[in-house]
Parts: sequence; structure tokens; C-alpha cells
Amino acid sequence: DAGITQSPRHKVTETGTPVTLRCHQTENHRYMYWYRQDPGHGLRLIHYSYGVKDTDKGEVSDGYSVSRSKTEDFLLTLESATSSQTSVYFCAISELAGRYEQYFGPGTRLTVT
Amino acid sequence: AQSVTQLDSHVSVSEGTPVLLRCNYSSSYSPSLFWYVQHPNKGLQLLLKYTSAATLVKGINGFEAEFKKSETSFHLTKPSAHMSDAAEYFCVVRSNTGTASKLTFGTGTRLQVTL
Repeated sequence: DAGITQSPRHKVTETGTPVTLRCHQTENHRYMYWYRQDPGHGLRLIHYSYGVKDTDKGEVSDGYSVSRSKTEDFLLTLESATSSQTSVYFCAISELAGRYEQYFGPGTRLTVT
Repeated sequence: AQSVTQLDSHVSVSEGTPVLLRCNYSSSYSPSLFWYVQHPNKGLQLLLKYTSAATLVKGINGFEAEFKKSETSFHLTKPSAHMSDAAEYFCVVRSNTGTASKLTFGTGTRLQVTL
């Protein structure tokens, strides 16, 4: 298994509070991604990073921000959590963009009450 | 824009019988296609990938998929289902943006295996 960990694995928070999810990799891969998984939607890309301090938006980026200050860590922040952000969040990594598959972390289940 | 459609949200088979999970894709150029599997409360694991080499792709755990350009399909098959195959399966197409590759997921097919 690719060396990807996510923390926390489970979190319950209240509407309006800030939340930060962490993805940590030990593979030294350049690309990192954040997805959310919701029933009937598969996985949808939130944000991705193509290097330290280099990030870009995915298809469902509203309400989320990311940061990457080190190769191994990619943080996803919900500035003010809403109930619509209740979901399972997956981090993924890939070595290169065009030719290599993405490997996924174990996921973080976030519930916003 | 590239997309995939998984034609069945739920498939039920008996143990020992063949598995067929259907996926159609839409792409303006030759796509890279994947199947991922997700067991309950687990992350996603890559089953197999097609990247314009052989059209019949073999993956892990006895699964294979055939890329058919004329039918725009990439169906996943296995000759004999095992109880441990019960999971959700995602068909995925990859597109390359200027800075990274983007995966577009189908909505998933839940495979149930019964005795």
C-alpha cells in the first residue's frame, strides 16, 4: 500500500466551526489531491497540488481551501463548516500527472451537525 | 469534457458465477481508463488500468476489462465471483489538465455476492 495517512479518521463538528484535515505521504510524490465522496456522486475533486505551494481548484472547491508547505503534507481547511460538507474525504497522490495512477488514503469521515 | 457512466448501480451474483460490471465512457480523444474497488469503510484500491496499450487489461484478483472503442465501453469482468469481491466498484477516466491529471469517477456499482 502507498504510504498515505489521513488525520483525523473521524470528526464530528458543529456548523460554523473551522476544520482542518491532514494528508501525509511518505512516497515523495509530487501530486496530491483532495476528493469528497457522497452517495450517488462517486468521488469529486476539491483541490489538488502539483508541488510545494502550488495548488489549484477542482470541480467542487467552494467553501474549501488548501495548503502545502512541505512535499509530504497537504491540508484541507473548511473555513466555516456547513452541513452540506458532511462527507467522506479522501486524499490521493500520484508520482507524475499524465502517466501514473493515483493512490488513495483511507479517508476521513466528517459529520457537520 | 470526459465522463463515464456506470450502467448499473447494483449488481447481485451468486458465488462462483461470472461478474459483469458495465461502464461506458465519453472522451474526445483516446482515454486512460481505470477501475477502482472500495470495500466497506475502506479507501480505494486500483484494480486495473488501460492506457492505450493492449485492449484487454488484466488486473488483480482475477478481474479483467476490455477497452472497446467502437462501443465506447470498458466493462469489468471476472469468471467466477468470490464472497470477498463484494464491494463498490468505480469506473474512472483520466484527463490531463495543464498542471495535473484529473480523475472523473462514475457513480459506482455495488456488487453483492450471495451463497
